[in-house]
Amino acid sequence: GENVEQHPSTLSVQEGDSAVIKCTYSDSASNYFPWYKQELGKRPQLIIDIRSNVGEKKDQRIAVTLNKTAKHFSLHITETQPEDSAVYFCAATGAAGNKLTFGGGTRVLVKP
Amino acid sequence: NAGVTQTPKFRILKIGQSMTLQCAQDMNHNYMYWYRQDPGMGLKLIYYSVGAGITDKGEVPNGYNVSRSTTEDFPLRLELAAPSQTSVYFCASRKGGAYTEAFFGQGTRLTVV
Repeated sequence: GENVEQHPSTLSVQEGDSAVIKCTYSDSASNYFPWYKQELGKRPQLIIDIRSNVGEKKDQRIAVTLNKTAKHFSLHITETQPEDSAVYFCAATGAAGNKLTFGGGTRVLVKP
Repeated sequence: NAGVTQTPKFRILKIGQSMTLQCAQDMNHNYMYWYRQDPGMGLKLIYYSVGAGITDKGEVPNGYNVSRSTTEDFPLRLELAAPSQTSVYFCASRKGGAYTEAFFGQGTRLTVV
């Protein structure tokens, strides 16, 4: 089955700097890669996603890149703000598109 | 729409007791999932379902059982609770298809003592 690895597990950045989180996946047939944000005590919520036929996608200060050959994808947050402090999860859906497997999460702390 | 609703929000169980965590969605989603999140850790898939009458194991199914008799409901059964099952449990649902967003319930915090 699909295995998703995520690094780093914690990330501390100064406000205004950029943050990058990287994930690798095992199933080369996976075709959908969403990212979720979980604020303290809350449920995870989708922030951005990318399909396997797209190399990069941007939404304001966040972007995701995908390298299918290397089987890795990354989340980029620019101009970080205190409200970006949260746990971020990457995920992949596997070949059939129905089994949603998550990475281990990255706790991001933005220091003012 | 209520979205994904989980009950209860909190529960304390004694070792060896059993309970059912309820999950219901009102979005007519085909796919439903159960995850557990241990403190400071990621989301581990317990079971998932692609439709009524169809369930499949995830990464950590031992000690749990599920059923999916309707599209709306996906209960998770814990038999003979153990301290290792202390966790926050999240139910999620997706519309179906390869590129759809997962919506999570608010979670159930379970402590086994």
